[in-house]
Amino acid sequence: DTEVTQTPKHLVMGMTNKKSLKCEQHMGHRAMYWYKQKAKKPPELMFVYSYEKLSINESVPSRFSPECPNSSLLNLHLHALQPEDSALYLCASSQGLGPRAGELFFGEGSRLTVL
Amino acid sequence: LAKTTQPISMDSYEGQEVNITCSHNNIATNDYITWYQQFPSQGPRFIIQGYKTKVTNEVASLFIPADRKSSTLSLPRVSLSDTAVYYCLVGDGFNFNKFYFGSGTKLNVKP
Repeated sequence: DTEVTQTPKHLVMGMTNKKSLKCEQHMGHRAMYWYKQKAKKPPELMFVYSYEKLSINESVPSRFSPECPNSSLLNLHLHALQPEDSALYLCASSQGLGPRAGELFFGEGSRLTVL
Repeated sequence: LAKTTQPISMDSYEGQEVNITCSHNNIATNDYITWYQQFPSQGPRFIIQGYKTKVTNEVASLFIPADRKSSTLSLPRVSLSDTAVYYCLVGDGFNFNKFYFGSGTKLNVKP
């Protein structure tokens, strides 16, 4: 199984809602990532988990809250979002750490629309 | 922080070889260079990774000169289905899991 599975594929939420995005991988990868991608822009790094611990937070607003319950799961909790947070949210995983860890496996993304 | 620069777009015809160059002047000594392909509304897909000289797999080749300040992705005999955005990716040189995408190159393959 070489897949990263993201759910839901599409999500529409109001600015007062609380929702979560889910990501799952069963490749035994020890690093997991959240990227945000706006239309016609490259993916932007948000968070990195290494061995289930948050290792990188790219100064992401607190209305985005990541969680790594175990080595296979990664969640992104959303609360009080703004319309400009509408984007494609991509989850990725990599087998290792270090320079060679650049081989990232991406999910298909969750398309978020904030009304 | 390694920053990458790529051409915004390129046009090609089916059957041609396409070369896309990425500039990464500040790449760290221990960083690898990785290339990804992305179709609309899909996640990026790994193409190839290298550190120096030349790497080849079943879909592409990657050429990296000795100074490693640039790299060139070579796609042999492209088809219409190769129309996509191509990104090069490097690390930040200090944090091993911090990877940044370049602006990407939109490749348009025409019949």
